[in-house]
Amino acid sequence: AQSVTQLGSHVSVSEGALVLLRCNYSSSVPPYLFWYVQYPNQGLQLLLKYTTGATLVKGINGFEAEFKKSETSFHLTKPSAHMSDAAEYFCAVKRGNQFYFGTGTSLTVIP
Amino acid sequence: KAGVTQTPRYLIKTRGQQVTLSCSPISGHRSVSWYQQTPGQGLQFLFEYFSETQRNKGNFPGRFSGRQFSNSRSEMNVSTLELGDSALYLCASSLGQQFQNTEAFFGQGTRLTVV
Repeated sequence: AQSVTQLGSHVSVSEGALVLLRCNYSSSVPPYLFWYVQYPNQGLQLLLKYTTGATLVKGINGFEAEFKKSETSFHLTKPSAHMSDAAEYFCAVKRGNQFYFGTGTSLTVIP
Repeated sequence: KAGVTQTPRYLIKTRGQQVTLSCSPISGHRSVSWYQQTPGQGLQFLFEYFSETQRNKGNFPGRFSGRQFSNSRSEMNVSTLELGDSALYLCASSLGQQFQNTEAFFGQGTRLTVV
């Protein structure tokens, strides 16, 4: 079965500080992994994805994520948080054409 | 190119009524999936359509149904609405299963409130 676990339903960081959002997956085969962001009353927007190849994936808005097979992790990071980064973040694994989403992490950025 | 369009954006219905939500996928995308998002349950998969056929279905009662038309547009219907059906309903389009490494593109959602 496919599942994704996001550690920490709420994360607060100061503006300019490092953002680290954690995601672990369970999969018997190398997965396709995604990070999406959702702003209030909006749909989900793709931040980045890992399919194959380079394990460090760069996305939009300065975010990146590293695929670590040994740790079954795909944590999302950003070196310096901006106020505009405040949103809900979802990690997802894809099998077939179905996405399995984590429960989400709400990011608050403190000025 | 145009994104995924969901209509209407907001809807208020009374318990017992039925509702139909619409989703127009990105041009060329043949797969449409529907998700229900609530604060308590998060994002839950409803069903997926590809070339007018339902290929996958989540764990929802039969009151939730959908269909896809030949132009890939999709509708979902909820009959006999319950208060617990209040949620943001998201539609996502993608190229299809043969493109497993591709992402889904989401619409802005339909916010359904059942009173």
